[in-house]
Amino acid sequence: QVQLVESGGGVVQPGGSLRLTCAASGFTFSTYGMHWVRQAPGKGLEWVAWIQYDGNNKDYLDSVKGRFTISRDTSKNTLYLQMNSLRAEDTAVYYCARGARYSGDYIVLDYWGQGTLVTVSS
Amino acid sequence: DIQLTQSPSFLSASVGDRVTITCRASQAISSYLAWYQQKPGKAPKLLIYGASTLQSGVPSRFSGSGSGTEFTLTISSLQPEDFATYYCQHLNNYPLYTFGQGTKLEI
Repeated sequence: QVQLVESGGGVVQPGGSLRLTCAASGFTFSTYGMHWVRQAPGKGLEWVAWIQYDGNNKDYLDSVKGRFTISRDTSKNTLYLQMNSLRAEDTAVYYCARGARYSGDYIVLDYWGQGTLVTVSS
Repeated sequence: DIQLTQSPSFLSASVGDRVTITCRASQAISSYLAWYQQKPGKAPKLLIYGASTLQSGVPSRFSGSGSGTEFTLTISSLQPEDFATYYCQHLNNYPLYTFGQGTKLEI
């Protein structure tokens, strides 16, 4: 069965860095685009970043461009999110999610991990 | 950028009720809309995609409709496990996904 397991969250000071990891299993990781989505405490969902199945294309939420980097290691079936210059407003639960094409035309986030909490605070 | 506005933001209902949640897009998005359910402390779960297609394993009491700028998620007879927060998501601007602000369905 498809499983996505995030790790790497924690408490970090403003301006600090953190790397999140998402271990994937139960599917052919190298054939799916992958996403990071976050949720601030008590707030809604916010898409953060995407990486194409082969790693050749990436995109980011405007507010994290230049600070966050998404990457993947197909040999390890692992997705990463390197977060630098962290701000208080980056505090959130970060989910990794698989992007899958349905009915030929709709690409949805069909499997999600359980999330990892990032707290940016002094 | 296309904005998604859900209404209501909060909905109080009882087991057995029929409830409808609306998602309005600021521009036409054809049928490129999905619905997710999220329970407290859990990851979102895909319910519907393509505005009206039920994801495998989702109970048939859930249904979606709409096209263009107005969409609805209907639960025909609320069950205790349906009390959760529901989000719509715009699929047409992949991968720059937009979510609605959420509708919390409570007893």
